[in-house]
Amino acid sequence: GAVVSQHPSWVICKSGTSVKIECRSLDFQATTMFWYRQFPKQSLMLMATSNEGSKATYEQGVEKDKFLINHASLTLSTLTVTSAHPEDSSFYICSADPGDRGHHEQYFGPGTRLTVT
Amino acid sequence: RKEVEQDPGPFNVPEGATVAFNCTYSNSASQSFFWYRQDCRKEPKLLMSVYSSGNEDGRFTAQLNRASQYISLLIRDSKLSDSATYLCVVTSTGGGNKLTFGTGTQLKVEL
Repeated sequence: GAVVSQHPSWVICKSGTSVKIECRSLDFQATTMFWYRQFPKQSLMLMATSNEGSKATYEQGVEKDKFLINHASLTLSTLTVTSAHPEDSSFYICSADPGDRGHHEQYFGPGTRLTVT
Repeated sequence: RKEVEQDPGPFNVPEGATVAFNCTYSNSASQSFFWYRQDCRKEPKLLMSVYSSGNEDGRFTAQLNRASQYISLLIRDSKLSDSATYLCVVTSTGGGNKLTFGTGTQLKVEL
């Protein structure tokens, strides 16, 4: 149990275009989902916390108008990278929190590798 | 100072060796602690939670020292398949379920 899927697995797009990444919890409902970004040889950095039915909470330094997050249901959150630029090329990973566990365990999606040319 | 600090390695060890990784965290109010494993170009996977009393899962032993704000992971009888990056993770200063990741320690187990 506790499977999280992410699509697409990888995407190559041209500078200036927008890319949408989906994160789904397949066998549980997630009240909260998290979006991370990881550059090569660096740690995962939390970008934003997504709560179902409410606005996402963005970490300091993350532009909310550039990284649009929608958490329309308890099993789906989307991240849209708008007007992508080469510096947005990164590994984007989502995680989902069932919210019904005593400990703070999150289940991670397999990640989406974005390359902007 | 980073919130979670780890030695990046890489640590190259022979198969069968025992290896230990350390991690320090800066926020004394951190509540939960974990070790995650991340393979190259993959998502992190939870290896084990870390408790004050210490805990063991097969060949893996984790320890937490709250006074020193120090977490360790010991791997015994290392296997080739243990080669990965090991991430030290704590709940962030913001509380709730926000995880803060260390940069990871890379382990390479060799024949």
